[in-house]
Amino acid sequence: GDSVTQMEGPVTLSEEAFLTINCTYTATGYPSLFWYVQYPGEGLQLLLKATKADDKGSNKGFEATYRKETTSFHLEKGSVQVSDSAVYFCALMDSSYKLIFGSGTRLLVRP
Amino acid sequence: DVKVTQSSRYLVKRTGEKVFLECVQDMDHENMFWYRQDPGLGLRLIYFSYDVKMKEKGDIPEGYSVSREKKERFSLILESASTNQTSMYLCASSFGSGPRRGYTFGSGTRLTVV
Repeated sequence: GDSVTQMEGPVTLSEEAFLTINCTYTATGYPSLFWYVQYPGEGLQLLLKATKADDKGSNKGFEATYRKETTSFHLEKGSVQVSDSAVYFCALMDSSYKLIFGSGTRLLVRP
Repeated sequence: DVKVTQSSRYLVKRTGEKVFLECVQDMDHENMFWYRQDPGLGLRLIYFSYDVKMKEKGDIPEGYSVSREKKERFSLILESASTNQTSMYLCASSFGSGPRRGYTFGSGTRLTVV
């Protein structure tokens, strides 16, 4: 079945460092891909999405590009802030409109 | 502001109790979902519904049931709560078809079963 694999955390960075969180997927066809963020004590918020190959999703300085050839959707940000500390989930939407999530990656940004 | 509202942020229940977790959305979404979130396991789908009075089992339905009598409301029921059901429960909703816009999530209910 469809699945999502993302790098284990926690990822600890200093403020203004470059961020990459890896995400790869296994799916039949070409699913839509998403990144969600969960701040402490809250539910998940949609961060960005891409619906077809080579699409780039972006929001709040975060970017991810849908790479069909490597089945990847890595999350990047050029300069992280303390306020970016959260758990990040990569997900795909299957053909029956269900979201399948990775296990999440905790990001800790130190001042 | 459109939203998904879960009735409780924190709940403490005793083993064996029947527990109801309520979720209401105001976006006229067809699809609604219940997940549980546990450290290291990510989000696991319990049940989902594509329409009123319809329900489908997700990946971990054992020990749970659901009710969807109205389009905007999707309830998760723990028939007889057990300590291994201590978890964060997240409700979500989405449009039924067309562009895949992802889900809108509620803030979650942290349930502790003692």
